[in-house]
Amino acid sequence: DQQVKQNSPSLSVQEGRISILNCDYTNSMFDYFLWYKKYPAEGPTFLISISSIKDKNEDGRFTVFLNKSAKHLSLHIVPSQPGDSAVYFCAAIDSGTYKYIFGTGTRLKVLA
Amino acid sequence: DGGITQSPKYLFRKEGQNVTLSCEQNLNHDAMYWYRQDPGQGLRLIYYSQIVNDFQKGDIAEGYSVSREKKESFPLTVTSAQKNPTAFYLCATGQGTEQYFGPGTRLTVT
Repeated sequence: DQQVKQNSPSLSVQEGRISILNCDYTNSMFDYFLWYKKYPAEGPTFLISISSIKDKNEDGRFTVFLNKSAKHLSLHIVPSQPGDSAVYFCAAIDSGTYKYIFGTGTRLKVLA
Repeated sequence: DGGITQSPKYLFRKEGQNVTLSCEQNLNHDAMYWYRQDPGQGLRLIYYSQIVNDFQKGDIAEGYSVSREKKESFPLTVTSAQKNPTAFYLCATGQGTEQYFGPGTRLTVT
């Protein structure tokens, strides 16, 4: 049972445009969410996070939005750059066990 | 030079052999984690440890074993009982709400 879902396995966006990556979750015990970026054959690197008491967090070109009622979060990258091409994982923290639950990832390709 | 070290980057083994993947950290983080990544799948938790001399099974612990004798080290043994051991293995440490990942080890078993 996948508690964190990224339903789009891949996304292509033109350089300079906005990239929107989506993530849905099912467990209402999740109270902290993170986005990681991963290049092939490397470990994921932390990108941005959001607490469940907020609905938006911004860091430079990256903004994460959280809609608790819909159990949905999204990552916006604007403007998109070719160096943003990577796999993006969303993750949720189970406040009961402190375990991280990862989505299956979305491969973003930014076209020059 | 701080961080998380996983070595080697690529590892090859024959079927039926046990193999141990190393993970060392000098970040002084209490929690350490092992994940595996397979194509088209997210990161799946194998084992985690919140403190020295204690560890818990993750979602896919069968065929794996770990130890946590030192804060800095969390080695993962892939045993011959693991049916599908070929994968990319990631070690992570945790502090507060963030996890930090090592560079990973690609294990190929033939």
